[in-house]
Amino acid sequence: DTGVSQNPRHKITKRGQNVTFRCDPISEHNRLYWYRQTLGQGPEFLTYFQNEAQLEKSRLLSDRFSAERPKGSFSTLEIQRTEQGDSAMYLCASSLTGYSAPLHFGNGTRLTVT
Amino acid sequence: GIQVEQSPPDLILQEGANSTLRCNFSDSVNNLQWFHQNPWGQLINLFYIPSGTKQNGRLSATTVATERYSLLYISSSQTTDSGVYFCAVPPSDYKLSFGAGTTVTVRA
Repeated sequence: DTGVSQNPRHKITKRGQNVTFRCDPISEHNRLYWYRQTLGQGPEFLTYFQNEAQLEKSRLLSDRFSAERPKGSFSTLEIQRTEQGDSAMYLCASSLTGYSAPLHFGNGTRLTVT
Repeated sequence: GIQVEQSPPDLILQEGANSTLRCNFSDSVNNLQWFHQNPWGQLINLFYIPSGTKQNGRLSATTVATERYSLLYISSSQTTDSGVYFCAVPPSDYKLSFGAGTTVTVRA
């Protein structure tokens, strides 16, 4: 168990540019989640995958956001035409299926849009 | 959606002191988790505690599901306990709703 890995740790980009983040979950976990955390707040749910299927997207996830999990392994989160309001910590987590399955979070990717 | 409120928002402790953090939630839940976010941003799962009491070293947690609250106890606090403590409850099987957190600062 090497934990959930996220890359990059930090990303600074100019408004209007596209960015992509990667998440590698714990290998035996079939669920993968993306959360967003802004300063002083708790994480907010964005989307989740059961294996390779994306089963729900939050209303927070505008059309500029897209997430994929090809083959049910790693996942990518892409933000197109970034805006300053996208600046936040993007957290990935993975778990087994079920209410009682604890979430294991990665270290996050901190995005700053200038 | 389900509301999660944590108190106090901030807590400053002298090393060795004990403290209690509270989490109130607005609806019945099947699960409640406590997390610690360290100063580097890493979220660590402390407890899965839908009801009852659990202990893990100097930390313990109690959830009274019928009264919709949970408490996290820190005993003999250490500087490494500093960070933000979140409680989270699941409005559904696959997502968690987090509170705004309690920021704990332990001074040597």
